[in-house]
Amino acid sequence: QSVLTQPPSVSGAPGQRVTISCTGSSSNIGAGYDVHWYQQLPGTAPKLLIYGNSNRPSGVPDRFSGSKSGTSASLAITGLQAEDEADYYCQSYDSSLSGSEVFGTGTKVTVL
Amino acid sequence: QVQLVQSGAEVKKPGASVKVSCKASGYTFTSYGISWVRQAPGQGLEWMGWISAYNGNTNYAQKLQGRVTMTTDTSTSTAYMELRSLRSDDTAVYYCARVGFLGGHDYWGQGTLVTVSS
Repeated sequence: QSVLTQPPSVSGAPGQRVTISCTGSSSNIGAGYDVHWYQQLPGTAPKLLIYGNSNRPSGVPDRFSGSKSGTSASLAITGLQAEDEADYYCQSYDSSLSGSEVFGTGTKVTVL
Repeated sequence: QVQLVQSGAEVKKPGASVKVSCKASGYTFTSYGISWVRQAPGQGLEWMGWISAYNGNTNYAQKLQGRVTMTTDTSTSTAYMELRSLRSDDTAVYYCARVGFLGGHDYWGQGTLVTVSS
């Protein structure tokens, strides 16, 4: 049972904007720990999309953006494209349970 | 370029052990930590633990404590993950991933499928 909760699925038409929420608690996101986001295309390894709440690694399109507030974080995808259809995961650190990295439950993005 | 290349698929019987390797190249191995993450079929990502390639310090997920051991061989820039007393619910793709300086896991191995079946 993950401590970071994401919606199971979101969808949008090409060109639209979608957002994915990542809800945590006072022992992880709310404690000030950074949130990172990953994209996982079918049958492939995850790829780092956003690090440190809102930073994009080199090569990641600026259509992807991240934000964090309180005990939650969000990933926004603007100008949705067919190639964005994938699973997305948030990740942070949790200070309970002897401290560990934790992943969100994952969100499937479908491009209509 | 940074690469993490993992060992091949494994089929194990319940109660057995498995050891997965992750060979790094394209960067100074001892400057970064390595996490292990697994993904059961059709499920999400599960963090298993982390090892410092600098000094071998480890931090394991509480649910795997006592069954998992992570090690490194700095002479070959290789990280290892051994999981013991395998059960059917350990069937998953196992990934190694480099922990970036600025946070997050910036490079991932291709994954190793471990199937536990009698």
